[in-house]
Amino acid sequence: GQQVMQIPQYQHVQEGEDFTTYCNSSTTLSNIQWYKQRPGGHPVFLIQLVKSGEVKKQKRLTFQFGEAKKNSSLHITATQTTDVGTYFCAGRNAGGTSYGKLTFGQGTILTVHP
Amino acid sequence: EAQVTQNPRYLITVTGKKLTVTCSQNMNHEYMSWYRQDPGLGLRQIYYSMNVEVTDKGDVPEGYKVSRKEKRNFPLILESPSPNQTSLYFCASSFGTGLEQYFGPGTRLTVT
Repeated sequence: GQQVMQIPQYQHVQEGEDFTTYCNSSTTLSNIQWYKQRPGGHPVFLIQLVKSGEVKKQKRLTFQFGEAKKNSSLHITATQTTDVGTYFCAGRNAGGTSYGKLTFGQGTILTVHP
Repeated sequence: EAQVTQNPRYLITVTGKKLTVTCSQNMNHEYMSWYRQDPGLGLRQIYYSMNVEVTDKGDVPEGYKVSRKEKRNFPLILESPSPNQTSLYFCASSFGTGLEQYFGPGTRLTVT
C-alpha cells in the first residue's frame, strides 16, 4: 500500500535558524496537505498543494510539491518559539479506488530553543 | 461555533469491554474520518466516510467498527478492545474528500 515517509523525526533549532521537513511518497499523489500539531493539541490544517511543482508561501513558511507529485517539503525561515510543534504531511493516492484514504507521514517534532 | 466534538476525552477500560467513542460535527461536512496517533507512527487512518451510509477502511481498520447513519455523527466502536488499541484517537471532518480537515480534540484511550 501507499507509504509516506517524513524526515527528520526530530529537529532542534535555535530561534532564528531555518527548518525544513521532507515528505516522500511511494506512489504518485493527487494532492498533499500539511498540518501542525502543538504539544497537547490536535492537528490544524496549514495548506494543500495540488499541482506538480507548486510552491506556496504563508509568511515565513514555504511549501513545495515535487514535479513528480511524490515528494513535498515545508521550510520555515527564521524560526520562532511559536513554531514549536509536530508538522505532518498527508497524501492522497492519485490512482486506485480508495479516493477517501489519506496517509500521514510520521511527523517532524520541532523544538525551538530561545 | 464550528467544531468537531469527541466524547469521552479520556477513557480507561479493560480488555474485552465494548466501548464507543462518539464524534459529532456541526459544519454539515460530508467527509469524516477516524485516526489513531502513536509515538513515532504519526496519524494512521482507521476508517473514513464520504457521506451518510458510505464508509470505507483506512490503513488500520482491524478491531474497529464505524457507522454513519446521520451526517453529523461518526461513532467509533471497539467491540472487544485489546491493549494494543491503547492510543490517542482523533476524529476529523471536511466539506468533501480531499479538502481541509478539521480535527476534534482527541480521545485518550487506555486498555488494560
